[in-house]
Amino acid sequence: KNEVEQSPQNLTAQEGEFITINCSYSVGISALHWLQQHPGGGIVSLFMLSSGKKKHGRLIATINIQEKHSSLHITASHPRDSAVYICAVLIIQGAQKLVFGQGTRLTINP
Amino acid sequence: DTAVSQTPKYLVTQMGNDKSIKCEQNLGHDTMYWYKQDSKKFLKIMFSYNNKELIINETVPNRFSPKSPDKAHLNLHINSLELGDSAVYFCASSLQTRIQETQYFGPGTRLLVL
Repeated sequence: KNEVEQSPQNLTAQEGEFITINCSYSVGISALHWLQQHPGGGIVSLFMLSSGKKKHGRLIATINIQEKHSSLHITASHPRDSAVYICAVLIIQGAQKLVFGQGTRLTINP
Repeated sequence: DTAVSQTPKYLVTQMGNDKSIKCEQNLGHDTMYWYKQDSKKFLKIMFSYNNKELIINETVPNRFSPKSPDKAHLNLHINSLELGDSAVYFCASSLQTRIQETQYFGPGTRLLVL
């Protein structure tokens, strides 16, 4: 079993729908990242959070440290949001190390 | 002005060959990383360097040898390539290694071993 589990693995929705992607982890962490991998392959960091909630445009990320769970929400989804969303936890044991979930492939249909 | 750049973008080669992938960052960061993304799109850390010093080496076969000539460059040399080495390799950098920091990723190098 991976240290970081995401659900769902695949998600297809219609434009405008509210999207939620979940991430659970089983290790002690210093922070959690949400990354976006575009169809072309590039990876972009969306959020890094260690508590509470962060918002950037239509994207909202929350984390519950006690429950070892994070969610990424997309409001008013758009076809350009179609990508793979990856949860990664940051472990600092002398050095910074990211451990990744398997990713959630999101497809937004017009 | 690309922050983290990798060359080449695509690499197709025969089994048994030796190849190198180069990575450069112009962000002034101290720490650089190599990640491997397998055919199932699962990312895993391979190496991490801080100021030219190796700090993470994640049970990677010793056919893989990272080299950091200066803190802006981290190259990956692979000897005796095997079919299972086919993957996308991502370089990344962060300002420091001992605190929480956003990592910036390169565009990836798609390696196909035939």
